[in-house]
Amino acid sequence: EAQVTQNPRYLITVTGKKLTVTCSQNMNHEYMSWYRQDPGLGLRQIYYSMNVEVTDKGDVPEGYKVSRKEKRNFPLILESPSPNQTSLYFCASSPSGGRGEQFFGPGTRLTVL
Amino acid sequence: KQEVTQIPAALSVPEGENLVLNCSFTDSAIYNLQWFRQDPGKGLTSLLLIQSSQREQTSGRLNASLDKSSGRSTLYIAASQPGDSATYLCAVEGGSGGGADGLTFGKGTHLIIQP
Repeated sequence: EAQVTQNPRYLITVTGKKLTVTCSQNMNHEYMSWYRQDPGLGLRQIYYSMNVEVTDKGDVPEGYKVSRKEKRNFPLILESPSPNQTSLYFCASSPSGGRGEQFFGPGTRLTVL
Repeated sequence: KQEVTQIPAALSVPEGENLVLNCSFTDSAIYNLQWFRQDPGKGLTSLLLIQSSQREQTSGRLNASLDKSSGRSTLYIAASQPGDSATYLCAVEGGSGGGADGLTFGKGTHLIIQP
């Protein structure tokens, strides 16, 4: 089944403890991205990747890192999480460099205490 | 910067009614527009994608139209069912912005279909 998977689905952590949220897609898509969703603010893009080893900042990149060493994986790294990073995170992928239908993962609900 | 607005923010209608959800965007230089459905606490399910050169797309009881020049899209749901209850999100790819490549989302329309 064609899909985008994220792990973990739920995470509660404490301020400053490094964490990684994994994202993987099995559709051979070149383009992958991360969004966060917050009440009243909607979905906002954090980072995106046009292909392996090519990443760029989205609208809200502060406090996040990403890497794209393989086409299928695009992990989101929070080096020193803070409470304002408590949010619902979505990974997405798309063929054609992003100029096409985007497929979203199930989401990761992160709480930073 | 591209901005996307969805009206109404919430809508409650009896089962069986036909309904229209509205989406507007400020910059007409878009590549495409996509409608999603989001169930509470869940991910986004893609409903319809309209490329900038297209006027509409249909899938089952759903029909989405795009008027790029006026910066508007509508999602028409025919013969609504309780299972259609969800938040519907409109998103555009492209338009003026801070150089970021990706989707700009509206805040959604929360739809409740009463049995």
